[in-house]
Amino acid sequence: SQELEQSPQSLIVQEGKNLTINCTSSKTLYGLYWYKQKYGEGLIFLMMLQKGGEEKSHEKITAKLDEKKQQSSLHITASQPSHAGIYLCGATTGNQFYFGTGTSLTVIP
Amino acid sequence: SQTIHQWPATLVQPVGSPLSLECTVEGTSNPNLYWYRQAAGRGLQLLFYSVGIGQISSEVPQNLSASRPQDRQFILSSKKLLLSDSGFYLCAWSSSNHQPQHFGDGTRLSIL
Repeated sequence: SQELEQSPQSLIVQEGKNLTINCTSSKTLYGLYWYKQKYGEGLIFLMMLQKGGEEKSHEKITAKLDEKKQQSSLHITASQPSHAGIYLCGATTGNQFYFGTGTSLTVIP
Repeated sequence: SQTIHQWPATLVQPVGSPLSLECTVEGTSNPNLYWYRQAAGRGLQLLFYSVGIGQISSEVPQNLSASRPQDRQFILSSKKLLLSDSGFYLCAWSSSNHQPQHFGDGTRLSIL
């Protein structure tokens, strides 16, 4: 079965610091999706990457997909308390959709 | 724009009681629909998905079932709940297999 490994599992950063979350697949991905979840709430779609080498940004969050389409990173610049939550990557390899186990982000004011 | 509604937000049920969770999507037609469970921790487990009315695929054998009586309605059911059914249930939709899924706000189910 397809597995998406996310690292780190949890992250605690001081407000204003930059951080990176990684998502790795053993197979080539058709599409890679990043979501954010606040505790007890649904997932909010952030970005979708489909092309090797693609990079997208939204406000202070940048996501990249490597050329082989097996690894993605999510980078937050100058983190704020509003960035806190659980970040999950999701991916499709065809007709199946998979999620990573998530990265819990805490931002200390 | 498309919206997804899921209810109830929280539910406390005794062991052995039935369950019905409902999810509806507005603003789109013939969506793919999904039910997930998120147990303690953060992993999402796909329970059921549907590509059309009456078409249900089950990913994990269990005492839960799903139905899609209308194009934009997806129902998760159980005849007799188990303690292990506790968790956070999420409904999602997508326009196709290769498009992002969009999630409802979830239902927190506690079994006593």
